[in-house]
Amino acid sequence: NAGVTQTPKFRILKIGQSMTLQCTQDMNHNYMYWYRQDPGMGLKLIYYSVGAGITDKGEVPNGYNVSRSTTEDFPLRLELAAPSQTSVYFCASSAPLSRRGVNTGELFFGEGSRLTVL
Amino acid sequence: AQSVSQHNHHVILSEAASLELGCNYSYGGTVNLFWYVQYPGQHLQLLLKYFSGDPLVKGIKGFEAEFIKSKFSFNLRKPSVQWSDTAEYFCAVKSTAGNKLTFGGGTRVLVKP
Repeated sequence: NAGVTQTPKFRILKIGQSMTLQCTQDMNHNYMYWYRQDPGMGLKLIYYSVGAGITDKGEVPNGYNVSRSTTEDFPLRLELAAPSQTSVYFCASSAPLSRRGVNTGELFFGEGSRLTVL
Repeated sequence: AQSVSQHNHHVILSEAASLELGCNYSYGGTVNLFWYVQYPGQHLQLLLKYFSGDPLVKGIKGFEAEFIKSKFSFNLRKPSVQWSDTAEYFCAVKSTAGNKLTFGGGTRVLVKP
């Protein structure tokens, strides 16, 4: 049971390049999230998904896109990388309470992807 | 919109000292509250959570937190810290019916041996 797996762990991009951060989970969780972590700023939600085919914006979605074609995968795409996107990105998933379907809020995080845009 | 404030950005302690980290949230409805921890080089993991009932909740590794509804607070405590408690601690809040967790800015705790 691998949990939440993110790739790549490290990446350096030039301004204007594009890339996709991959995230996959094997826990059959409905909910998946992308956060960015900047020093002293905590974690900011970029996008989230409540199930396959459904995505929604978080606090800081500009410059990013997501898709959720399967329960397992939730890739994050940066179309035109900018220095402001230099950050550590975390993917997370969570499961609903079995009967009521409400999100438990217990997030399982991946190990993070450190992205530098120069 | 909900928000979370953690007042201490950095805390330095000696082993066996007591730890208390402040967390205040802003939200008008009922909430679920969480503390997550990130040990050096590791990913975030859940330390403890409050959903309902007894406002004093106990988590892993001897940590506990108290929910004081009137103060919109959820402070984290540990009576006697160890060097291995060196980590960054994040408070988070979620509305009970919602799907999004909002995190505070984090508190870096350094425990000196």
